[in-house]
Amino acid sequence: AQSVAQPEDQVNVAEGNPLTVKCTYSVSGNPYLFWYVQYPNRGLQFLLKYITGDNLVKGSYGFEAEFNKSQTSFHLKKPSALVSDSALYFCAVRDKGGSYIPTFGRGTSLIVHP
Amino acid sequence: KAGVTQTPRYLIKTRGQQVTLSCSPISGHRSVSWYQQTPGQGLQFLFEYFSETQRNKGNFPGRFSGRQFSNSRSEMNVSTLELGDSALYLCASSLEASGIGNEQFFGPGTRLTVL
Repeated sequence: AQSVAQPEDQVNVAEGNPLTVKCTYSVSGNPYLFWYVQYPNRGLQFLLKYITGDNLVKGSYGFEAEFNKSQTSFHLKKPSALVSDSALYFCAVRDKGGSYIPTFGRGTSLIVHP
Repeated sequence: KAGVTQTPRYLIKTRGQQVTLSCSPISGHRSVSWYQQTPGQGLQFLFEYFSETQRNKGNFPGRFSGRQFSNSRSEMNVSTLELGDSALYLCASSLEASGIGNEQFFGPGTRLTVL
């Protein structure tokens, strides 16, 4: 069975500092990996995905994520945080060779302090 | 291009009633998925429809059902509502079926409260 872990319920960072939101996954085959962001009272918005190819994936709003197969991780990063980045972030995985059903992490609340 | 729209945005029902939620995907998208989001369980997959056929179903009781129309619009129905069905129900569309690794585009959700 596939699974996703976001080990931190909340991440606090000062504006202008780099941020990292962690995600590890487990699938039986090769993964499709996604990051989504959810602002209050809104649906999820797609940020970036890893399908194949370069391990470093660049996405919307200056976010990037690095796929690390040996550590089964897909951490989300941004070099300089903005207060407007404060939101709930979800990592999701699908097994390329298995079920099409996506599994989402529990979400990490990012709080960027001015 | 208009995004995914869901109606209604808010709904209050009582136990035992049934409810129908509607989702209009982005134009040209053929896959529609439904999710239940609660503080306790997080985001849980309900089902996915592609070309009017249910492709996948999550681990929910038969009280939860859905369908997709020829224009890709989708509805989900919950019968015999229980208090635990109170949640944000999210609809997401994608260009093709989920197995190809397409990202999903989510609607704003329908907030269902069961009293």
